[in-house]
Amino acid sequence: DVKVTQSSRYLVKRTGEKVFLECVQDMDHENMFWYRQDPGLGLRLIYFSYDVKMKEKGDIPEGYSVSREKKERFSLILESASTNQTSMYLCASSSFDRGWRNEQYFGPGTRLTVT
Amino acid sequence: DQQVKQNSPSLSVQEGRISILNCDYTNSMFDYFLWYKKYPAEGPTFLISISSIKDKNEDGRFTVFLNKSAKHLSLHIVPSQPGDSAVYFCAGRGSQGNLIFGKGTKLSVKP
Repeated sequence: DVKVTQSSRYLVKRTGEKVFLECVQDMDHENMFWYRQDPGLGLRLIYFSYDVKMKEKGDIPEGYSVSREKKERFSLILESASTNQTSMYLCASSSFDRGWRNEQYFGPGTRLTVT
Repeated sequence: DQQVKQNSPSLSVQEGRISILNCDYTNSMFDYFLWYKKYPAEGPTFLISISSIKDKNEDGRFTVFLNKSAKHLSLHIVPSQPGDSAVYFCAGRGSQGNLIFGKGTKLSVKP
């Protein structure tokens, strides 16, 4: 059974704090992704990674960085949290296979509130 | 610039009837289109996909239709059930394997 886990379901941080969101997948997937979901805006891609130590900017990378030191783990870092980063953060992974079942598997999400 | 558009933020359907969720796209380079379903406080789950070289894919109660000339796809759910009530996201897969999502349509199926 495929599994993507995220370190926290709910997180409250103060403005200016450094925040780490962790994601782990157990499917040996090459690709991993970080999205944020906001009402009326859908899912927006922040960063993604094809392989260990590889990263690519998504649509909204500003204010974020990522780290992928191991294949199964992809971390999202908010260097200095701001209130406009209050959101639901979703991690996903997928296989490198580009066949028809190349869907992304999502974690349960982390609801981050920055006060 | 939205590459994937879901113009209906919400849809309400009676149980047993057909639900039709629509999606338009502008990027001709998408090679696959996917539909995801999301319940509150959970991550999205994959529902069904279609290759850009097909015009229809069916899986049980779910069918996705693709009209490439119109750059339009739709998800049909027949018959609709109350458990189908969720937010549905349409996504196109880009050349790097990344997904570009629409804003979602909230489906409510009333008993």
